[in-house]
Amino acid sequence: QVQLQESGPGLVKPSETLSLTCTVSGGSVSSGSYYWSWIRQPPGKGLEWIGYIYYSGSTNYNPSLKSRVTISVDTSRNQFSLRLNSVTAADTAMFYCARAHYDSSGLIFQYWGQGTLVTVSS
Amino acid sequence: DIQMTQSPSTLSASVGDRVTITCRASQSISRWLAWYQLKPGKAPKLLIYQASNLERGVPSRFSGSGSGPEFTLTISSLQPDDFATYYCQQYRSYWTFGQGTKVEIK
Repeated sequence: QVQLQESGPGLVKPSETLSLTCTVSGGSVSSGSYYWSWIRQPPGKGLEWIGYIYYSGSTNYNPSLKSRVTISVDTSRNQFSLRLNSVTAADTAMFYCARAHYDSSGLIFQYWGQGTLVTVSS
Repeated sequence: DIQMTQSPSTLSASVGDRVTITCRASQSISRWLAWYQLKPGKAPKLLIYQASNLERGVPSRFSGSGSGPEFTLTISSLQPDDFATYYCQQYRSYWTFGQGTKVEIK
């Protein structure tokens, strides 16, 4: 069974960079067919897809966040990471990492981490 | 962007009730729709994909139907473990989620 676990600071100051890591067990980030994704949920709001990385390093980001987001993969540690620049209070959210695969038309998110809450505040 | 609208936003029900949640897309998405269950402190769970296909290991009391713009998730007999928030997600064009439906104890 694939398991994912998010880690990183729970508090980030405005204008700084949010950095999170997702550690994968029970599977390899080097496997083809899977897209290693980040999704967030601001308090009281719905889910928002942030982006994904394929094992080859190719990425795809939500156009609304593209200018501030970088997702990278570390195959030696079986991890992938999220960096979100220039954060504001609007970026306060529960952040989830997930393993997705293409189901004909698009991605479905089959396995998720438990999530980590990141608060942006001075 | 394809917008997803769920209703109701909150649903109060009792164990054993039949529960139905609706999800409407702002344009046709064929059957490219998934449903997820979220509980605080737990990893979200994929329940259904392609509108009606049950993910492996998901109890058969969960079912999905619909196509085009309107879809439903039905729980045939609500169990204590089912009190949670449910989200639909379209994957016709990028990936967007509904705002969620919280199923709470009546």
